Amino acid sequence: KNQVEQSPQSLIILEGKNCTLQCNYTVSPFSNLRWYKQDTGRGPVSLTIMTFSENTKSNGRYTATLDADTKQSSLHITASQLSDSASYICVVNPGGGNKLTFGTGTQLKVEL
Amino acid sequence: NAGVMQNPRHLVRRRGQEARLRCSPVKGHSHVYWYRQLPEEGLKFMVYLQKENIIDESGMPKERFSAEFPKEGPSILRIQQVVRGDSAAYFCASSSLVGDNEKLFFGSGTQLSVL
Repeated sequence: KNQVEQSPQSLIILEGKNCTLQCNYTVSPFSNLRWYKQDTGRGPVSLTIMTFSENTKSNGRYTATLDADTKQSSLHITASQLSDSASYICVVNPGGGNKLTFGTGTQLKVEL
Repeated sequence: NAGVMQNPRHLVRRRGQEARLRCSPVKGHSHVYWYRQLPEEGLKFMVYLQKENIIDESGMPKERFSAEFPKEGPSILRIQQVVRGDSAAYFCASSSLVGDNEKLFFGSGTQLSVL
């Protein structure tokens, strides 16, 4: 069983709509949680990094939340654009360096 | 101000051949990480290097795989006697400092296909 589980696996939304992606993790210990955006054929790009003490962080139209007690995180995308079509990956850093544990991602497609 | 550069983007090898993957980190970054992504799976940590030193290679197979980050030049991930199961996307990332909250900058990856 993967230590970082994401849902849904894939999602299609219309341009301009909002969406929320979910992440549950069992990785322990825990240092921080990151959300990455990965376009097809490209490397992941960092969107947010949240430590144990942070429960929300925004980056433009992206807002991530973290509940370290329930080990859940979400990524909310507001007013989606066609360029938001990508895989969104939840990543947990257990600490002691950058030996990150990646989820398999939610594949988002934004359509006209 | 180039980001992490990986080459080649695509590499095709026959079983038994050697594969050499190159990674030039962001200018000024001295910490390099290699991750592997198998189809339908998340990225998996392989190895962490700092200039001329291997810091953590716990995710790298003990046989056939090796990595280096020389004082001058790019980091190299070397796979000897490749097998079909080595087919994957290999991503390199770099950071300027070491720390749990340091942002990693990823390259676009090398897609290795073993025939």
